[in-house]
Amino acid sequence: AQTVTQSQPEMSVQEAETVTLSCTYDTSESDYYLFWYKQPPSRQMILVIRQEAYKQQNATENRFSVNFQKAAKSFSLKISDSQLGDAAMYFCAYRSAKYGGATNKLIFGTGTLLAVQP
Amino acid sequence: NAGVTQTPKFRILKIGQSMTLQCTQDMNHNYMYWYRQDPGMGLKLIYYSVGAGITDKGEVPNGYNVSRSTTEDFPLRLELAAPSQTSVYFCASSYGATGKSEQFFGPGTRLTVL
Repeated sequence: AQTVTQSQPEMSVQEAETVTLSCTYDTSESDYYLFWYKQPPSRQMILVIRQEAYKQQNATENRFSVNFQKAAKSFSLKISDSQLGDAAMYFCAYRSAKYGGATNKLIFGTGTLLAVQP
Repeated sequence: NAGVTQTPKFRILKIGQSMTLQCTQDMNHNYMYWYRQDPGMGLKLIYYSVGAGITDKGEVPNGYNVSRSTTEDFPLRLELAAPSQTSVYFCASSYGATGKSEQFFGPGTRLTVL
């Protein structure tokens, strides 16, 4: 079974600085997707960034980028130029690339609570 | 587009009571999911549906039931509420079945069972 581990329960960053959130996962599959979700105090789950395992190039979305190390099964999120609105719980998640059913479930880590200091 | 909507936002139940959590999506998605999020944890899949009339169990289905009579609606039923069901419940939907298809989440329902 696949597992996702986030070893940093809490992180803090100064506004305008850069912070990296760590995520490791375990799987025997070769094709899968990895995600970072943001959950602000409103509880709404918001997709931040997605990485496809067969792509070597790291995904980027504006100030958000990932460092995907497939062999090490590591998937970290870098937030550049941190803003107060980035303060939230961040979840790393895994999803199989196999077709259909419960294999499409998202497997979540336990989350990292990010505080942004003004 | 309202996306995925859930009602109610908050609910307190007594042990043994029943309730239905409502979930509706207006994106014509075939795939719908129910997750629960316990304090300090990630989300775990309770039930999912691949289309109207088709549902199946996820990781933690005990104590819950679902139905899917329409594409839009995917209600979650708790028959005999227990304190262990105190959690935040999220409904999600996606267009496709592959891992590439983004899951869109509702705002969640916070349920407390006393």
